[in-house]
Amino acid sequence: GENVEQHPSTLSVQEGDSAVIKCTYSDSASNYFPWYKQELGKGPQLIIDIRSNVGEKKDQRIAVTLNKTAKHFSLHITETQPEDSAVYFCAASRDSWGKLQFGAGTQVVVTP
Amino acid sequence: NAGVTQTPKFQVLKTGQSMTLQCAQDMNHNSMYWYRQDPGMGLRLIYYSASEGTTDKGEVPNGYNVSRLNKREFSLRLESAAPSQTSVYFCASSETQGGYGYTFGSGTRLTVV
Repeated sequence: GENVEQHPSTLSVQEGDSAVIKCTYSDSASNYFPWYKQELGKGPQLIIDIRSNVGEKKDQRIAVTLNKTAKHFSLHITETQPEDSAVYFCAASRDSWGKLQFGAGTQVVVTP
Repeated sequence: NAGVTQTPKFQVLKTGQSMTLQCAQDMNHNSMYWYRQDPGMGLRLIYYSASEGTTDKGEVPNGYNVSRLNKREFSLRLESAAPSQTSVYFCASSETQGGYGYTFGSGTRLTVV
């Protein structure tokens, strides 16, 4: 089955700096890669996703890149703000019939 | 805008006790899921229901049972709780079985002593 590895497990950044989280996956048939943000005491929320026919996708301060050849994808947060502090999860699935396989999560702390 | 509602939010059980975690969604989604979240291990799938009337095991099903009561409700039962089942449990739903558009509930924090 699919295995998703996520790094780093914790990330501390100064407000205004950029944060990058990286994930690798094992199943070459995976073609859907969402990212979730989990705030303290809440369930994960989808923040951005990318499908395998696209190499990069942006939404304001967040962007995701995908390298299918290397089987890795990354989340980039620019101009970080304190409200970006949360746990971020990457995930992968085989699209229409597969279930999501999650990475272990990255605790992001943005310090003023 | 209820989305996915889980009850209870917190629960403490003694080893060997049983309980049922409830989940209901109001988005007319076909598929529902139960995950557990443990530190450093991400979210692991316990059971899922691709559509009303069907249920299947996920990655860590031992010690759990599920019931898809109707299209809206999907419950998770612990027949004889063990300390290893101390975790945060999340229910999620999606329109189709695929990975698109999961909506998660706010979780149930379960402690087994």
